Amino acid sequence: ETGVTQTPRHLVMGMTNKKSLKCEQHLGHNAMYWYKQSAKKPLELMFVYSLEERVENNSVPSRFSPECPNSSHLFLHLHTLQPEDSALYLCASSQGAGGNEQFFGPGTRLTVL
Amino acid sequence: GEDVEQSLFLSVREGDSSVINCTYTDSSSTYLYWYKQEPGAGLQLLTYIFSNMDMKQDQRLTVLLNKKDKHLSLRIADTQTGDSAIYFCAERGGGYNKLIFGAGTRLAVHP
Repeated sequence: ETGVTQTPRHLVMGMTNKKSLKCEQHLGHNAMYWYKQSAKKPLELMFVYSLEERVENNSVPSRFSPECPNSSHLFLHLHTLQPEDSALYLCASSQGAGGNEQFFGPGTRLTVL
Repeated sequence: GEDVEQSLFLSVREGDSSVINCTYTDSSSTYLYWYKQEPGAGLQLLTYIFSNMDMKQDQRLTVLLNKKDKHLSLRIADTQTGDSAIYFCAERGGGYNKLIFGAGTRLAVHP
């Protein structure tokens, strides 16, 4: 039990759909992250939120839109995705900037048709 | 630039030791990490080492750091079938709380 949950675990969507990925952490952390993991590339950091403010956007296309309404919840809103966006999307959290450990959720396996 | 490299596959016999290697490029890295990912799961932090250390041992795990060569290794003693997973090396690189991950080493343990 990592204390970080993600829903849904699997998602299949068409290129014209709009969907959202949800992440919730139960660890009392104040920083949250979205990563993309695909067969072609190692883990790619997408977004970092600290104290509910976005502190890093790693050149992610605008069809991915993050939202962090509070320190326990993180969303990734998806629209007009491409097949190459199919990947495992991992959420993580940590305590503070410079925290040693990032705790990961189980991921959402996204398939874009 | 920041880069972390690992070999992609390692196969060992049950009971033997496994050694997973990693090289990194950012000499200013303060922490280096090993994460484990089992099938269908997220990443789990196994251990980490601070850059002013050259060795850290935690039960069956031994981490060695050669800062001069920017080389990190993870040794798993008495490897078991439950150790079969992908192991990611990561360095704390530049940017705000940013981890740079390697591509992962898939460890297969066979009888």
